[in-house]
Amino acid sequence: GQQVMQIPQYQHVQEGEDFTTYCNSSTTLSNIQWYKQRPGGHPVFLIQLVKSGEVKKQKRLTFQFGEAKKNSSLHITATQTTDVGTYFCAGRNYGQNFVFGPGTRLSVLP
Amino acid sequence: GAGVSQSPRYKVAKRGQDVALRCDPISGHVSLFWYQQALGQGPEFLTYFQNEAQLDKSGLPSDRFFAERPEGSVSTLKIQRTQQEDSAVYLCASSSLTGNTIYFGEGSWLTVV
Repeated sequence: GQQVMQIPQYQHVQEGEDFTTYCNSSTTLSNIQWYKQRPGGHPVFLIQLVKSGEVKKQKRLTFQFGEAKKNSSLHITATQTTDVGTYFCAGRNYGQNFVFGPGTRLSVLP
Repeated sequence: GAGVSQSPRYKVAKRGQDVALRCDPISGHVSLFWYQQALGQGPEFLTYFQNEAQLDKSGLPSDRFFAERPEGSVSTLKIQRTQQEDSAVYLCASSSLTGNTIYFGEGSWLTVV
């Protein structure tokens, strides 16, 4: 079945440094979503990407969908302590439900 | 309500006990999902409803797990004869039919002792 992987598993950065997490699917995706989950909290929807090569920005966050629609990335510029949490990608394979990756846990040191 | 509401928030069950977890989705949301999230893992899909119809239950791990949404709004996830490996957070999520944004509830934290 469809598998979604993310790297790295953990990332520790100094406040102000940039951060990137990568998401890879074993199958071509119809769309991909990104979520953020704070410690002890629930996943919160960030964005959905649909088109091949699509790039979307939300303030300091940049999301990209690969040309082959099998990978995606989330880049955070100049991290802040409020960015702490686990970032999940979730991919959908044309009509099926979303499959979540294992997440990348981000720690930001002040 | 304003968001997806789940109850109970926390449940401790003795092994072999049956539990029922409730989800109250955002009003008007057609789609409802149940996910299981183990500690340190991503959410794992359990089942999906469109209104009262259970369109996909491929993620339910065993026949001890049963979900229903009889009137197309509130949903209940029932786990019979709980086992220790059932300990996890059970997340409910809802969305409109287009499914572009999925809203998660706070989750029901189940511990089986």
